[in-house]
Amino acid sequence: AQKVTQAQTEISVVEKEDVTLDCVYETRDTTYYLFWYKQPPSGELVFLIRRNSFDEQNEISGRYSWNFQKSTSSFNFTITASQVVDSAVYFCALTAGANNLFFGTGTRLTVIP
Amino acid sequence: DAMVIQNPRYQVTQFGKPVTLSCSQTLNHNVMYWYQQKSSQAPKLLFHYYDKDFNNEADTPDNFQSRRPNTSFCFLDIRSPGLGDAAMYLCATSGIPGGYSNQPQHFGDGTRLSIL
Repeated sequence: AQKVTQAQTEISVVEKEDVTLDCVYETRDTTYYLFWYKQPPSGELVFLIRRNSFDEQNEISGRYSWNFQKSTSSFNFTITASQVVDSAVYFCALTAGANNLFFGTGTRLTVIP
Repeated sequence: DAMVIQNPRYQVTQFGKPVTLSCSQTLNHNVMYWYQQKSSQAPKLLFHYYDKDFNNEADTPDNFQSRRPNTSFCFLDIRSPGLGDAAMYLCATSGIPGGYSNQPQHFGDGTRLSIL
């Protein structure tokens, strides 16, 4: 069975602070894929990043960075120097085997100006 | 730009009155998905089409049906909407399904359905 846990329901930070969103996953499959999506107030889900289970390289894209650690089954997402436009709900998601995309419950990030 | 388009953005219907939500895509993807997302919850997969093959999730109520007349279009039909069906409905596409690749799903803007 697949499971994605985002323990942080809501986070508030002041603009320009760094913030890390946690994601812990469970799967018995040895090949799986992890994703982060952003859902702004307008409602659409925006794809941010994917990571394969056999690629533990961390990644940085501008102010965003992702830390994938198989040893702790975690795929955490850090926003550096947060901005008001980063305010959204962020979903971590997992897919493996014959299963479709399975979402965590999301973390609502509020960046205060 | 290639995209996933959902119409309308907002839909209001009456309790028990059938309603259809539409989704179109210009990505030429083989798979189209419908998700239901209630307030402050994660999206929940209702069903998906892989080409013409329909795949229903085990816990999707019979009240929800779908049609895919061609590659580009997919419809969600709610035969007798109840108050509990008020939600955001998200359409998504991907090249191949589920866990067989790292292809992300591409989502439309969603249709927010209200039931009077």
